[in-house]
Amino acid sequence: EVQLVQSGAEVKKPGESLKISCKGSGYSFTSYWIGWVRQMPGKGLEWMGIIYPGDSDTRYSPSFQGQVTISADKSISIVYLQWSSLKASDSAMYYCARRGLREVTDAFDMWGQGTMVTVSS
Amino acid sequence: SYELTQPPSVSVSPGQTASITCSGDKLGDKYACWYQQKPGQSPVLVIYQDNKRPSGIPERFSGSNSGNTAKLTISGTQAMDEADYYCQAWDSSTVVFGGGTKLTVL
Repeated sequence: EVQLVQSGAEVKKPGESLKISCKGSGYSFTSYWIGWVRQMPGKGLEWMGIIYPGDSDTRYSPSFQGQVTISADKSISIVYLQWSSLKASDSAMYYCARRGLREVTDAFDMWGQGTMVTVSS
Repeated sequence: SYELTQPPSVSVSPGQTASITCSGDKLGDKYACWYQQKPGQSPVLVIYQDNKRPSGIPERFSGSNSGNTAKLTISGTQAMDEADYYCQAWDSSTVVFGGGTKLTVL
């Protein structure tokens, strides 16, 4: 089965670091870009950045550049999203999503189940 | 930065046609896609490349894109179509989402 499986919910304190993951299976992991999308409670979708696991080429949204780090370990088919110092405003649901190929290249054709991150003192 | 604008809400009666718009500068020169998100679920792609449906998406979902406006049309809307809908496009290697539209079927 083709799927993206994300790591579980996290509860952290402000100032702590965090790394969440997204594991792809059932397809050629290194051939598809994987993006990260934030959804704050009751709000819309925000694109954070995207990585090509084949060579770790990474692009960031200007809004998230310097705030998070996206990385990949192609040997285990996992993409990561990490923070070095969390803020309460980072509390949100985070989705990974696969960018399609060929005629679907402008869309995200598969999404992970989401990882809820709560940052509270 | 590039922006996509959607109406916050749209209402439709069961069996009728729902239309959700997405506006952006020269959006018709880009490809638009649409996602459906039901409460507590991940988004699902329902339209890509302006008007194409992924496998498994019902034929009642269709799309168009011209000028500054892309449109998602749901014909014969069903109660199960009640959800949030987001448009998305690329601009200068950046992904842009619209603010989302809550579709209510009443």
